[in-house]
Amino acid sequence: DAKTTQPNSMESNEEEPVHLPCNHSTISGTDYIHWYRQLPSQGPEYVIHGLTSNVNNRMASLAIAEDRKSSTLILHRATLRDAAVYYCILSPGPNSGYALNFGKGTSLLVTP
Amino acid sequence: GAVVSQHPSRVICKSGTSVKIECRSLDFQATTMFWYRQFPKQSLMLMATSNEGSKATYEQGVEKDKFLINHASLTLSTLTVTSAHPEDSSFYICSARADRLNSPLHFGNGTRLTVT
Repeated sequence: DAKTTQPNSMESNEEEPVHLPCNHSTISGTDYIHWYRQLPSQGPEYVIHGLTSNVNNRMASLAIAEDRKSSTLILHRATLRDAAVYYCILSPGPNSGYALNFGKGTSLLVTP
Repeated sequence: GAVVSQHPSRVICKSGTSVKIECRSLDFQATTMFWYRQFPKQSLMLMATSNEGSKATYEQGVEKDKFLINHASLTLSTLTVTSAHPEDSSFYICSARADRLNSPLHFGNGTRLTVT
């Protein structure tokens, strides 16, 4: 499986934008880039995913480099509720048969 | 949005007993569901892939006779931890993806198992 590299932790002030980086230099042409987050003692929550183009939804934006070897999850205004572990995961495709393999993720701390 | 319900959220059992965990997709059908395990301060580890109407596929190092998986319908998968021991204490999480293209994976809220 293609691997991703994320910083262990990041810190942000409340109401400021947060840019969470992810490197995936061995990504294949059919790999989708997925982002999930996990709050303490809860299951992971889907955030966003994309293939080549930048993506936006109500939770976040995903900026994908032109060569697809890196991506950035953007939280436009961090809130205390956004403090979580954020996982960047590659998957061969959004088909029902593929599981997601989680790395260590980035632990985001949001301070008031 | 798609919801995956997992039950129970917490369970304490004695060593040697068995525990069953249910995972339901509430508003979508899922041919495939996935079971993960998470130890404290670690990431999620995929245990097995549950396929409706057929045998589950287990990851390397996961004992299929200890972790029994049944996926009897398109909305329900169960994980039974048999003859539980204290080292099986962990956070078990199920997930499912709707049977349509480009659907994300949705996760249950997990089951905290404590074996005494």
